[in-house]
Amino acid sequence: SQTIHQWPATLVQPVGSPLSLECTVEGTSNPNLYWYRQAAGRGLQLLFYSVGIGQISSEVPQNLSASRPQDRQFILSSKKLLLSDSGFYLCAWSVRTSGGRTLPYFGPGTRLTVT
Amino acid sequence: AQSVSQHNHHVILSEAASLELGCNYSYGGTVNLFWYVQYPGQHLQLLLKYFSGDPLVKGIKGFEAEFIKSKFSFNLRKPSVQWSDTAEYFCAVTSDTGRRALTFGSGTRLQVQP
Repeated sequence: SQTIHQWPATLVQPVGSPLSLECTVEGTSNPNLYWYRQAAGRGLQLLFYSVGIGQISSEVPQNLSASRPQDRQFILSSKKLLLSDSGFYLCAWSVRTSGGRTLPYFGPGTRLTVT
Repeated sequence: AQSVSQHNHHVILSEAASLELGCNYSYGGTVNLFWYVQYPGQHLQLLLKYFSGDPLVKGIKGFEAEFIKSKFSFNLRKPSVQWSDTAEYFCAVTSDTGRRALTFGSGTRLQVQP
């Protein structure tokens, strides 16, 4: 079965510090991978997506970057965190059903607080 | 580009009241439609999804949604809410081409009073 792991679950970091959030998936190969952010009181916003190793597309300009060093690993990073980077970060992946439709799965998320 | 609108930002109901949350999307092609729920302190859970076929789909916990293609809508309903339905509800859409990423609505916070 497919599983998605995210860590850490919670993180408190000072402004200006670096960030690395990791996401790994199991039970599939060559998935599309995504990073979403949910800021307080707002909906989920797509930050990055990847269709393959080393292929990253950014959806919004921001202080963050993403990398995909392996097929089932997706990393969200920042060199210097800002207060506005606080939020709930969700990793997701999508699979094609037998009927060719897209079905997304979400990880448990990381709650980041920048102080 | 896809977009999703949820018109009700905060809904307060009493237990046993009926619920309908609106969701409209904007996309010219074939879409897949989803409703997710996020209970306080928990992560997103899939309530129901629509791919094709019967436009009335049933999900978990007594929820259902109706896809009306002519109105670009996918409203969520429940005949009788419970206090445990207090949560945030997100409508989302994705396509089967391109990036296949979910586009979410801004969410509706449902508060059910006992």
